[in-house]
Amino acid sequence: SQQGEEDPQALSIQEGENATMNCSYKTSINNLQWYRQNSGRGLVHLILIRSNEREKHSGRLRVTLDTSKKSSSLLITASRAADTASYFCATDAGSNYKLTFGKGTLLTVNP
Amino acid sequence: DAGITQSPRHKVTETGTPVTLRCHQTENHRYMYWYRQDPGHGLRLIHYSYGVKDTDKGEVSDGYSVSRSKTEDFLLTLESATSSQTSVYFCAISEESEQYFGPGTRLTVT
Repeated sequence: SQQGEEDPQALSIQEGENATMNCSYKTSINNLQWYRQNSGRGLVHLILIRSNEREKHSGRLRVTLDTSKKSSSLLITASRAADTASYFCATDAGSNYKLTFGKGTLLTVNP
Repeated sequence: DAGITQSPRHKVTETGTPVTLRCHQTENHRYMYWYRQDPGHGLRLIHYSYGVKDTDKGEVSDGYSVSRSKTEDFLLTLESATSSQTSVYFCAISEESEQYFGPGTRLTVT
């Protein structure tokens, strides 16, 4: 069963705008990660936030984690057409670093 | 793709035939994973390995087996392919929690 669920399923914005995607999960976690997948390609790791962290930044990415609500958000600032991709959250909740992925948010950034 | 290759990249096979997909890494990472990706389901874990000859089942392991005889190779076998196994298969590796993915294998079972 899916641990993480992203919202919205699809998001279309203009270049320069900010994009926010949300992820909800069900059980306690060790960490939560965000991945990007360009069409027809493998997933690429973007950022990891541990369960004892509340916010993390990496370049134009900002991730927040609220363990009391079991939710996370990914903010991409000043979006570019090259940010067009599917974004997945993944939770590490057990042993052997197994991840459970959500179904993803398809982000389209229009030039 | 972080030193991960998958072969073949595309395959069409008939129902009932065995199929083996190969994942090869040059990173010497301990953990290796096989996922399938289907529309509406995201990525689902099939099997994973936590060392040579050490493997375990994931969420959707029925109809699949794996083997890892050396650190760099992780094989996924569909014992008797069915149309429901038409999918894109991804291999991933990790040393800790962050995973690195291969380019994927598109498998069509007719």
